Amino acid sequence: AQSVTQLDSHVSVSEGTPVLLRCNYSSSYSPSLFWYVQHPNKGLQLLLKYTSAATLVKGINGFEAEFKKSETSFHLTKPSAHMSDAAEYFCVVSDLDYGQNFVFGPGTRLSVLP
Amino acid sequence: KAGVTQTPRYLIKTRGQQVTLSCSPISGHRSVSWYQQTPGQGLQFLFEYFSETQRNKGNFPGRFSGRQFSNSRSEMNVSTLELGDSALYLCASSLRGFDTEAFFGQGTRLTVV
Repeated sequence: AQSVTQLDSHVSVSEGTPVLLRCNYSSSYSPSLFWYVQHPNKGLQLLLKYTSAATLVKGINGFEAEFKKSETSFHLTKPSAHMSDAAEYFCVVSDLDYGQNFVFGPGTRLSVLP
Repeated sequence: KAGVTQTPRYLIKTRGQQVTLSCSPISGHRSVSWYQQTPGQGLQFLFEYFSETQRNKGNFPGRFSGRQFSNSRSEMNVSTLELGDSALYLCASSLRGFDTEAFFGQGTRLTVV
């Protein structure tokens, strides 16, 4: 069975400093992995996805994630935080051979301090 | 290109009633999935429809059901509502599911009183 662990429920950074949101997954197969962001009272927006191509994945708004199979990790990073990055971030795994059955992590709330 | 549209945005229902939520996917998308989001349980997968067939199902009771029409629009129904069904229900559409990008609607906020 698939599962996702997000190691921090809340991360607080200062504007202009790096962001690291940690994600570990468990999957029986070669998974597809995603990071989604949810701003207050908004739907979910895809930041980036990994689907067995390059292990370093670049996404929108300067975010990146690196897939490390040996560590079963898919941590999200950004070199310099912006106030607009404050939101809830979800790591997601999907490893069906067909169809969609996203398993979401519990989420990490990112606060950006001025 | 229009996004995923969910209606209604807000609903208040009484325990024991039933409710139907609607989702219109992005044009051309054939996969529609439903998720429940609550503070306690987070985001949980309900089911996925592809070409009018339920392809995958999460671990929810039979009170939760859905269907998909030939135009890919989808509805989910919850019968005999319980207080614990209060949640944000999110719909996502994608071309074919799995590793293709899923686009989420803004959700329907259901409150059961």
